[in-house]
Amino acid sequence: DQQVKQNSPSLSVQEGRISILNCDYTNSMFDYFLWYKKYPAEGPTFLISISSIKDKNEVGRFTVFLNKSAKHLSLHIVPSQPGDSAVYFCAARGYSGGSNYKLTFGKGTLLTVNP
Amino acid sequence: NAGVTQTPKFRVLKTGQSMTLLCAQDMNHEYMYWYRQDPGMGLRLIHYSVGEGTTAKGEVPDGYNVSRLKKQNFLLGLESAAPSQTSVYFCASGPLGYEQYFGPGTRLTVT
Repeated sequence: DQQVKQNSPSLSVQEGRISILNCDYTNSMFDYFLWYKKYPAEGPTFLISISSIKDKNEVGRFTVFLNKSAKHLSLHIVPSQPGDSAVYFCAARGYSGGSNYKLTFGKGTLLTVNP
Repeated sequence: NAGVTQTPKFRVLKTGQSMTLLCAQDMNHEYMYWYRQDPGMGLRLIHYSVGEGTTAKGEVPDGYNVSRLKKQNFLLGLESAAPSQTSVYFCASGPLGYEQYFGPGTRLTVT
């Protein structure tokens, strides 16, 4: 039972264009959503997040949109640069009592930005 | 700050051997996590800790044990390694269940 889904394993975009990475979730109790970026042979690095009470958050070239009714979020990268080529993971925070918060990750989308 | 460090970076084990992976963080985070990453599977949570002396099971805890004796360290143990535990292991830490900061990973091969 996959609660966080990234249905596109890969995406290829031209430099300078917009990259849109999508993520769907099934658990309506998730309250916080995050995007991570991962280069080969490195650990994931935090990119941007959004609280469930908001519908948009923008940091530099990166914008995350949240549509709670559709249980869908997306990451927009404008303009895309070759250095953005990496695997992008969507993650959602769930609460399971006490101080028990944990993240559930999607399987990732490999973004390739072509010069 | 070193952030999150993991020891060792690479290891090859024979089936049935045991080992301990060490994670250390210098950011004074309460939360620490162990994940494994397998091709096409994303990151799956093995165990986590919400504070010194506490541990909890994640999504795939079988075959692993953990300990958090000091706030800055989180140990992952494999008592009897199996080929199915061949994976890349990532440790992460974070404040109060928000952003997590990951280590560089440990690549483990069990033959």
